[in-house]
Amino acid sequence: DAGITQSPRHKVTETGTPVTLRCHQTENHRYMYWYRQDPGHGLRLIHYSYGVKDTDKGEVSDGYSVSRSKTEDFLLTLESATSSQTSVYFCAISESGITGNEQFFGPGTRLTVL
Amino acid sequence: KNEVEQSPQNLTAQEGEFITINCSYSVGISALHWLQQHPGGGIVSLFMLSSGKKKHGRLIATINIQEKHSSLHITASHPRDSAVYICAVRSVGGNKLVFGAGTILRVKS
Repeated sequence: DAGITQSPRHKVTETGTPVTLRCHQTENHRYMYWYRQDPGHGLRLIHYSYGVKDTDKGEVSDGYSVSRSKTEDFLLTLESATSSQTSVYFCAISESGITGNEQFFGPGTRLTVL
Repeated sequence: KNEVEQSPQNLTAQEGEFITINCSYSVGISALHWLQQHPGGGIVSLFMLSSGKKKHGRLIATINIQEKHSSLHITASHPRDSAVYICAVRSVGGNKLVFGAGTILRVKS
């Protein structure tokens, strides 16, 4: 299994509080992704990174920010959590983003915003 | 209209049956992925293909680039195959995947 961990695995928070989710990889892959998964929508890309300090928005980036200061860590921050951000968040990594390489997924973080 | 459409949304089969899950897409692609997600959430890559057919054990994935269509087949299905099967495509020149909504498969013994 690819070495990807996410923390925390479960979190319950209140509306308006800041939340940071962490994705850590030991594969030295260049690309890292944050997705959210909601019933009926499938996986949707929030943000991705193509290198240290290099990030770009996905299709559902509003309300989220990311940072990547080291190859192995990709942080997702909800500056002020809302109930619509209740979801399961998955991190993924890939060696290359443009050649159709496989993506390997972390175990997911279940976030509930009350 | 979603770029990636899967059918059926839900599928219940009896153990031993041959199963087909379909994926249609609307853009030119460089690769198509089939993923499996078991209850409890973990997502595993099954196949990545850009042409033809691939086989792994009881799973077979095919793709028809001209028709923008892919199928995932499971032969001799087993209850442990129960999972959500997800199709995803990477557009030509793109570095992101676009996902279908998934097919929920339940195999009864």
